[in-house]
Amino acid sequence: DAKTTQPTSMDCAEGRAANLPCNHSTISGNEYVYWYRQIHSQGPQYIIHGLKNNETNEMASLIITEDRKSSTLILPHATLRDTAVYYCIVRAPGGGSNYKLTFGKGTLLTVNP
Amino acid sequence: DGGITQSPKYLFRKEGQNVTLSCEQNLNHDAMYWYRQDPGQGLRLIYYSQIVNDFQKGDIAEGYSVSREKKESFPLTVTSAQKNPTAFYLCASTTSGAYNEQFFGPGTRLTVL
Repeated sequence: DAKTTQPTSMDCAEGRAANLPCNHSTISGNEYVYWYRQIHSQGPQYIIHGLKNNETNEMASLIITEDRKSSTLILPHATLRDTAVYYCIVRAPGGGSNYKLTFGKGTLLTVNP
Repeated sequence: DGGITQSPKYLFRKEGQNVTLSCEQNLNHDAMYWYRQDPGQGLRLIYYSQIVNDFQKGDIAEGYSVSREKKESFPLTVTSAQKNPTAFYLCASTTSGAYNEQFFGPGTRLTVL
């Protein structure tokens, strides 16, 4: 799996957009970008994933650069409950060991009132 | 409600004792995983299983054992051979689809005294 680089921590004001960057400059052509988050002492929660087009769901938007070397997760209106560690992961689709998710240390997002 | 259950939430054991962590899912998922998380660290894969009666070692399998006798269940045994067993253990599952996200359980925090 390609490695990812994320800032250790970020702050965001409640109600504002939170933009979390991720660098994945060694990503391969068939690897997807996945985002998960983990609230303290809970299991990680899936947020969104994409290949090369921008994606949006009820939780967030994912913006992937044209060269696919970086991406940004956007939480449009952050709430206090969005305070969590956010993980950016890249992996190829398919079976076998490709199912494995390799988690780094992620970004601790703190949403302040 | 469909989901993944892990029990117990907190577990204490004396050094040298084997302990088994439970993971059950009613999502009809084929693949199941065990991860370990240490304070301030990302998740590391211990074992995974893609189908019943089959499982593979992950990145840190030494000192652990698993079984997959039923699709719904994937118990993890932490043996006395595991040098640093105190950690947060997370179980996850996914369908066999190439792009599907992993669903995580709430985790078991094991403390070895």
